[in-house]
Amino acid sequence: DAEITQSPRHKITETGRQVTLACHQTWNHNNMFWYRQDLGHGLRLIHYSYGVQDTNKGEVSDGYSVSRSNTEDLPLTLESAASSQTSVYFCASSESMADTQYFGPGTRLTVL
Amino acid sequence: AQKVTQAQTEISVVEKEDVTLDCVYETRDTTYYLFWYKQPPSGELVFLIRRNSFDEQNEISGRYSWNFQKSTSSFNFTITASQVVDSAVYFCALWFTGNQFYFGTGTSLTVIP
Repeated sequence: DAEITQSPRHKITETGRQVTLACHQTWNHNNMFWYRQDLGHGLRLIHYSYGVQDTNKGEVSDGYSVSRSNTEDLPLTLESAASSQTSVYFCASSESMADTQYFGPGTRLTVL
Repeated sequence: AQKVTQAQTEISVVEKEDVTLDCVYETRDTTYYLFWYKQPPSGELVFLIRRNSFDEQNEISGRYSWNFQKSTSSFNFTITASQVVDSAVYFCALWFTGNQFYFGTGTSLTVIP
């Protein structure tokens, strides 16, 4: 069955370190998204991609970057982790722009 | 502004009661899509429904029903005869032609046995 996976599921890191969160989908979806979930804020869009080599900034993109070298993967990089980036991160994919997004299981990131 | 408002932060009901979760959206676009997702305590996000702006028919799926009213910009979700397994955070979301999803802040539902 097609699926979307995230790794690691839990990560503890220190302030200032670079961190990369992986997202892999086997749906063959063109669209992929990264969100962060924080209490009181719901899900906020960090970056999104509508295809290979395409990346776009979302609502809360500062301090994050993504790259899309193939259809299946959209890794999220925190260039220099900050305590404010402690959050749960969700990756999602969809077949077309207005289609349902299917979410990965999430990565809980703690920045100390 | 284009956004989604879920004014109810937390709701508690006793099992078997009906409960309605409110969702109010704002958009100037005529073409848009509305969604509901469920996030149980285990943390995953589960898709419940997708509705486009041209289809105002209400939908029923088992104990779940959705009331879409463009006149009030609302897309409310009702659970009939609630069960403990319905305890979760529920998110309403909006997609519009700016090609982004906007999620509400969620409503945490607790069903008390």
